Amino acid sequence: QSALTQPASVSGSPGQSITISCNGSSSDVGIYNLVSWYQHHPGKAPKLIISEGSKRPSGVSDRFSGSKSGNTASLTISGLQAEDEADYYCCSYTSSNTFVLFGGGTTLTVL
Amino acid sequence: QVQLQESGPGLVRPSETLSLTCGVSGFSISTDYYYWGWIRQSPGKGLEGIGIMYHNGRAYYNPSLKSRVTISLDTSKNQFSLNLKSVTAADTAVYYCARLPDGGVWFFDYWGQGTRVTVSS
Repeated sequence: QSALTQPASVSGSPGQSITISCNGSSSDVGIYNLVSWYQHHPGKAPKLIISEGSKRPSGVSDRFSGSKSGNTASLTISGLQAEDEADYYCCSYTSSNTFVLFGGGTTLTVL
Repeated sequence: QVQLQESGPGLVRPSETLSLTCGVSGFSISTDYYYWGWIRQSPGKGLEGIGIMYHNGRAYYNPSLKSRVTISLDTSKNQFSLNLKSVTAADTAVYYCARLPDGGVWFFDYWGQGTRVTVSS
């Protein structure tokens, strides 16, 4: 089972908005609204920032938002801040193996 | 506050069994509606789900690892474990433990910081 496809890196300036894509298939992203997104600062525990496609857990900034179109999920971060510089991973339930698939991760650089 | 902490040897010999433990504080692993599981990240690669287990024994595994993986829960110590047998260099990774709510939502809401395991002779 192939991993979900994410761009290796994205960048943006403080205050700008960026979008990270997560490409899957009709067996995962396309058929379920079960994509989650994680923020990972190296050496720390990954942090859930979006669940079930677009839900923000308590305490997560509303600058983070999730959406989906067809087989592609997206994470948008608005009003970029220096602290947003991190690795971001998408994850989806897949019916192919009744488990989860992760993306390869995207490194966000705040210029 | 739910906290998870991985522990175990940082070096494992090829063909041996990798054994890790995840201690949980601030929440009982025998509580209904939560799975407990493991995820790993190999060098230069993305995350890979290994498996999850419920306190009643119900489990889901990554098919590519299922034949080598055992996850067990010790409710008396409020911890759970990962055993991965017959390891090779490809199993070198940072291993994370995490909690997954039941109900078909399939996301991990709390994670440990991870522990690095190297497979080498």
